[in-house]
Amino acid sequence: QTVVTQEPSLTVSPGGTVTLTCASSTGAVTSGYYPNWFQQKPGQAPRALIYSTSDKHSWTPARFSGSLLGDKAALTLSGVQPEDEAEYYCLLYFGGAQWVFGGGTKLTVL
Amino acid sequence: EVQLVESGGGLVKPGGSLRLSCAASGLTFSNAWMSWVRQAPGKGLEWVGRIKSKIDGGTTEYAAPVKGRFTISRDDSKNTLYLQMNSLNTEDTAVYYCNRAALAGRYYFDYWGQGTLVTVSS
Repeated sequence: QTVVTQEPSLTVSPGGTVTLTCASSTGAVTSGYYPNWFQQKPGQAPRALIYSTSDKHSWTPARFSGSLLGDKAALTLSGVQPEDEAEYYCLLYFGGAQWVFGGGTKLTVL
Repeated sequence: EVQLVESGGGLVKPGGSLRLSCAASGLTFSNAWMSWVRQAPGKGLEWVGRIKSKIDGGTTEYAAPVKGRFTISRDDSKNTLYLQMNSLNTEDTAVYYCNRAALAGRYYFDYWGQGTLVTVSS
């Protein structure tokens, strides 16, 4: 069974920079996994942030960026705002139209 | 403005069936590949399955836990996506979200509904 792993929790100070990562149990994450990133706040639906590793949606704030970092996908928040406190999920493609979400990272802004 | 509105959730007994609907507006529904994602209470997101647009073949794919029990379909004349869920068990208890997964094979997962809660309990 394929497992996608994210940091369970991270803490960052307002104005700081934080990087969330997304690893696959099958090996290195490449652009062929089409990494997607989503933000979810309590009681709300997920909001799409990043698709295809690093492409932003029209509503994605400039402080969010996606990349590949070593053998993982990464989401970097630069100049973190209090409203960025949320759960963040990555989503990877494993072929055969099969997608798998990571377990999520709870980001605390403190 | 794009809107996806799910409905049809509720309480169902183990072994029972339920059909969810997702009404779409503000987008060209017939061109969209659509998917369902669920979230068990207090847990993470889980991809359930997707359906291509009819012009791209209209085929469906499902995650292993629901394959053979769940069926995704669409009615482009009503701009509506469906999720037929059979042989439900307690592990299927979750909020179910519909979303626009892709256009012409390029995945975006951009627009999401607010979700509908399905509770499987005796």
